[in-house]
Formats: sequence, structure tokens, C-alpha cells
Amino acid sequence: AQTVTQSQPEMSVQEAETVTLSCTYDTSENNYYLFWYKQPPSRQMILVIRQEAYKQQNATENRFSVNFQKAAKSFSLKISDSQLGDTAMYFCASLYSGAGSYQLTFGKGTKLSVIP
Amino acid sequence: GAVVSQHPSRVICKSGTSVKIECRSLDFQATTMFWYRQFPKQSLMLMATSNEGSKATYEQGVEKDKFLINHASLTLSTLTVTSAHPEDSSFYICSARRWGGGHSYEQYFGPGTRLTVT
Repeated sequence: AQTVTQSQPEMSVQEAETVTLSCTYDTSENNYYLFWYKQPPSRQMILVIRQEAYKQQNATENRFSVNFQKAAKSFSLKISDSQLGDTAMYFCASLYSGAGSYQLTFGKGTKLSVIP
Repeated sequence: GAVVSQHPSRVICKSGTSVKIECRSLDFQATTMFWYRQFPKQSLMLMATSNEGSKATYEQGVEKDKFLINHASLTLSTLTVTSAHPEDSSFYICSARRWGGGHSYEQYFGPGTRLTVT
């Protein structure tokens, strides 16, 4: 079974500053995918960024980037130029084929507050 | 693109009644849909996985006779909570997977349904 660990239950950052959210995972698979999802107060889950494990290059999406360290099984999310709208729960997730079914495994989440 | 709708957004029902929640992928075909339950300030818990035209696969501990899932088409899945009780009150989220075409198993989520059983 896969596990995803987010060790920071809550974090805060000043508007316009940079913040990094940590995530580690445990898998014996070679082929898997990693994701960061955002859940704002509306509770709508939004895909922020994804990373294929076979790709060495770190994924980036505008102000969001990841630091993927495959050997260390680490997948941190960096948010640059933080905005008030970034306030949300952030969930790290992994996806792999288990028993023939691809299932997302979520971490417990990190609550991020952007302070004006 | 990749929008998933869920209806209703909120529902209140009396104990012992059944309630149906619909999940639709609006602009893509979803061969696989998922139903999650989320308790306050917690992560998402997978309840079941459904493939179009097949019976749903339920996670351990989830009662399949209580949580009926139907995935009748490539764009619609329904979750029916039968004989609901107050302990079934929760936030239910559906998700649809868009397969292939360079989308690398991306999964998109509906806005959720708040179920309150009185």
C-alpha cells in the first residue's frame, strides 16, 4: 500500500512571499504519479500540479512548482508570490496501479493561510 | 475543460429515507468515477470506484447495500444513500478520471454534497 505524509498541519505566509509545503510518500512502484490538490473554503478540490515519476524535470505551473526528489521520495510544493486566494487546504496525493485499479492516495493535508 | 458537476450541493433528509446524489462529467468522458467522503478538517476517504457499465468496487468497511452506486453512462454516476441515519451525515465528493490523451490519469472533482440526516 502507498502512504502519503504531510508533516505540516498548518502553515502561514505573508502575501507576496514564498512558501514550501512538504510531502513524502512511500511506494514500491516504479511507475506512479504525484499531485497537489487545493481545497479552498468552498471545498471544491482543484488540481494544482502533477508530476510523472519517470520525468526528472520538476513540474511548474505559473507560481506553483514542485521539488521532486525521487530517491528521497519527497514531493514538495513551492508557491511563489503568495496571494490571498491561495488560502486553502493543500493535499498531496499519489497515484499508482494497485490490484489493477489506479487509486489516489491522499495525505492528511496542510492548511495554508496567506496573511495580508 | 474537465468540469465535474454534482447535484444537489446540499440536502437534508429524515432518518430512514434515501437520498440520491448525481455526479456528471460535463465536457469529457469518464470511464472511471470515484466517490469520497470527507469529515470536517480531514482528508478524503475513498468509498468506492465505479467503471461505466460495471459494478462498483467498494473499499473495506463501506457497506455496499447502504451506499448504492450506479455508473450508467460515461458521463453520469449516482450515489444513493439508503435508509440514511444521522451518522451518514457528511460531505460527499465525486471525482471523474479523464484517461489518456496526454492527461496522465488526471482526476477532477465535483463541488461536493453536504448531506445532513435529521
